[in-house]
Amino acid sequence: EDQVTQSPEALRLQEGESSSLNCSYTVSGLRGLFWYRQDPGKGPEFLFTLYSAGEEKEKERLKATLTKKESFLHITAPKPEDSATYLCAALNRRQAGTALIFGKGTTLSVSS
Amino acid sequence: DAGVTQSPTHLIKTRGQQVTLRCSPKSGHDTVSWYQQALGQGPQFIFQYYEEEERQRGNFPDRFSGHQFPNYSSELNVNALLLGDSALYLCASSLAPGLAGPPEQFFGPGTRLTVL
Repeated sequence: EDQVTQSPEALRLQEGESSSLNCSYTVSGLRGLFWYRQDPGKGPEFLFTLYSAGEEKEKERLKATLTKKESFLHITAPKPEDSATYLCAALNRRQAGTALIFGKGTTLSVSS
Repeated sequence: DAGVTQSPTHLIKTRGQQVTLRCSPKSGHDTVSWYQQALGQGPQFIFQYYEEEERQRGNFPDRFSGHQFPNYSSELNVNALLLGDSALYLCASSLAPGLAGPPEQFFGPGTRLTVL
């Protein structure tokens, strides 16, 4: 069964304290690995798509990387406004549609 | 450029009732997918609509049905509501899957459904 697991469930950082969020996946043929940010009570906001192992993408203080079994979201020198839940989702090759398989997310709290 | 919009924002229903949620996709997008997100969980895929037809369906009962209109907007209908249907319902729009690779999906703000 296709599955996406995120760790840790919750992460508390001090402003400026860099860290990484983990997303491990078991998917029958990965077509894409997606990262989203979600603020409380709102819809997920698209961050990155990664397609193949070794790929990296950056946006401001965020950098996403992909291996054959997992993806990491690195947060460099975070600020309080980076506090949110970060969701990872995978798309498999078995179905040609848009059915994203989500993890439960990592809730990040950054204090000043 | 308007993003994905959903209505209503919040909805309260009682068990056994029926509900209709609405979604307008991002300009230029022709595919709409619906997701259910329970509190503390990641979104779960319900179904996808493209060219006014259901193209893919997740593990949800037939009480969940949908429709896509010629202008690409979409509705999600849920019949015989159960307490467990209380959740945030998210609509995501994208271009249709194709040779260029998996499409990026952009989400709306969601509709918070509470079933009493």
